[in-house]
Amino acid sequence: GQQLNQSPQSMFIQEGEDVSMNCTSSSIFNTWLWYKQDPGEGPVLLIALYKAGELTSNGRLTAQFGITRKDSFLNISASIPSDVGIYFCAGKVNSGGYQKVTFGTGTKLQVIP
Amino acid sequence: GAVVSQHPSWVICKSGTSVKIECRSLDFQATTMFWYRQFPKQSLMLMATSNEGSKATYEQGVEKDKFLINHASLTLSTLTVTSAHPEDSSFYICSARKPGTRLVETQYFGPGTRLLVL
Repeated sequence: GQQLNQSPQSMFIQEGEDVSMNCTSSSIFNTWLWYKQDPGEGPVLLIALYKAGELTSNGRLTAQFGITRKDSFLNISASIPSDVGIYFCAGKVNSGGYQKVTFGTGTKLQVIP
Repeated sequence: GAVVSQHPSWVICKSGTSVKIECRSLDFQATTMFWYRQFPKQSLMLMATSNEGSKATYEQGVEKDKFLINHASLTLSTLTVTSAHPEDSSFYICSARKPGTRLVETQYFGPGTRLLVL
């Protein structure tokens, strides 16, 4: 099946620093999604990308849909303690008449105050 | 946004018993709901797609007789883990698709149910 590799797996950063994480795939996706998951909770959608090359922002978050449609990255600027959590990328593709979402391996972010 | 709830939020059961988990879309009708499983420090793995009024579509490797899914109404889907064993212990998360244009992401996740089988 499709695999999404996310990097880095985890990172410790100082409050105020910028963060960058990316997601790569061996196959093409029609949509790229970025989610944040807090411990013991379900994922919450941060940004959705629908076209190759698209660059979209949501507050301090910026994400891009790679030109090849096989990758995406997420940047967080001026990190704050509440940014702590696990960030998942997800790719969506049409499969058998419905859209199937595949999740990445996750990036665990720790912010040091 | 939209609200999806799950009940219970956590459950502990004895090996061999069955456990039912509910997923509800509180402020919209969802013709399609999804069930995911997440092991500690791992990603979400899609188990099955639940369509209202029809049989669920299971992903490869997921036993349909083990994980029974019922989507009897537009706001409720249930996952029953039958004859649970310790290896079924996991975090189960549902999501519901809010009707709308297919081009726009409209999938909302529940808060998850943590299952521990002793």
